[in-house]
Amino acid sequence: EAGVAQSPRYKIIEKRQSVAFWCNPISGHATLYWYQQILGQGPKLLIQFQNNGVVDDSQLPKDRFSAERLKGVDSTLKIQPAKLEDSAVYLCASSLAGGKNTEAFFGQGTRLTVV
Amino acid sequence: SQQGEEDPQALSIQEGENATMNCSYKTSINNLQWYRQNSGRGLVHLILIRSNEREKHSGRLRVTLDTSKKSSSLLITASRAADTASYFCATTHSGTYKYIFGTGTRLKVLA
Repeated sequence: EAGVAQSPRYKIIEKRQSVAFWCNPISGHATLYWYQQILGQGPKLLIQFQNNGVVDDSQLPKDRFSAERLKGVDSTLKIQPAKLEDSAVYLCASSLAGGKNTEAFFGQGTRLTVV
Repeated sequence: SQQGEEDPQALSIQEGENATMNCSYKTSINNLQWYRQNSGRGLVHLILIRSNEREKHSGRLRVTLDTSKKSSSLLITASRAADTASYFCATTHSGTYKYIFGTGTRLKVLA
């Protein structure tokens, strides 16, 4: 079974530039999550999709971050404009049934450095 | 913050010893899961315990859950150098199914 795919693996941008991350979840998984993990901290949930609808985006900085899930499958997360404090690893995960006693599978993440 | 908390933040033990880490959370949950993260790598799922379960075992791992205290513990027995990693608990909230991580425990097992 193929895992959660994310790209790119690494990205370096200057502050105020834009960046986009892509995630392809495991086939058949209805729920997709984006997390931000700052070095030394636990992953922070940014947005959670159920199919192509948003379940929760309460911690997504909506003035600069946006996310969409096309046709309930792939997802993109965009930051525009980036700030220095956005430097982090962005993790995508998917699960079969929205966390109802099923595990979430994680991609390798995209490491973003904002300079 | 929505995040749960884990303690200790860091733990250093000798190979062969047991390691215990604790997780506290804030709201009603469907289940609680433990993950391991090696430096620079992704999160690996270790074990899931449902809200109506009190204890679960998987190999050298033992997880307990006390929903009245909103807490869980992860015990790793007979630790190995390869167990060196950060360990996170994650809770699935009742109703919303939001998937929230704790702050993590950094475990170092000395050979």
